[in-house]
Amino acid sequence: QVQLVQSGSEVKKPGASVKVSCKASADTFPSYGISWVRQAPGQGLEWMGWIRVYVGDTYYAQKFQGRVTVTTDTSTTTAFMELRSLRSDDTAVYYCATMTSVVTYAFEMWGQGTMVTVSS
Amino acid sequence: EIVLTQSPGTLSLSPGERATLSCRASQSVRNSYLAWYQQKPGQAPRLLIYGASSRATGIPDRFSGSGSGTDFTLTISRLEPEDFAVYYCQQYGSSPRTFGQGTKVEIK
Repeated sequence: QVQLVQSGSEVKKPGASVKVSCKASADTFPSYGISWVRQAPGQGLEWMGWIRVYVGDTYYAQKFQGRVTVTTDTSTTTAFMELRSLRSDDTAVYYCATMTSVVTYAFEMWGQGTMVTVSS
Repeated sequence: EIVLTQSPGTLSLSPGERATLSCRASQSVRNSYLAWYQQKPGQAPRLLIYGASSRATGIPDRFSGSGSGTDFTLTISRLEPEDFAVYYCQQYGSSPRTFGQGTKVEIK
């Protein structure tokens, strides 16, 4: 089964940017799409956006429009999420998750999460 | 945006008991594209149910999902010690994909 391995934790200052990576273990992306979800400390899950892997079109939650960019590199089976103009309330664990037709595009496999701390 | 409201917020039960979790949507969920996830402390969520009632690979049959339209239910027929966790519903039939606020199932 495909595994997703995310990059390590990050500490950023307010106003900076962060780019989180998510590498799929398979030789090719087995997914239709990759979504990004975040979870602030002690809070629930918040969907940020997704990318259709082999087409490249992206869809973002309005809350993050203009501040987030999701990309993929199919040659390395890696997805990326960049969040700009960081604020303290962006402190959260960020997850990537696969979307496949097998499970009608629910979020089947998840990365282990990347902690991003925004602090001056 | 579809708002999902889960109830109760916390469910206190003993191992072996039946758990019934509710998820109500502010508008109809297209194609019953409603999923349930389990999350334990320090872990990523795990997909349990998709399409409102289909179990994901490897999920025990004590977990079942039902419902359509705006009302959905996750039932755990007999709680095992490893089932005590937080459960989230999610609709993925329309954008933005949204999650409920979660139900914590704790040991009584």
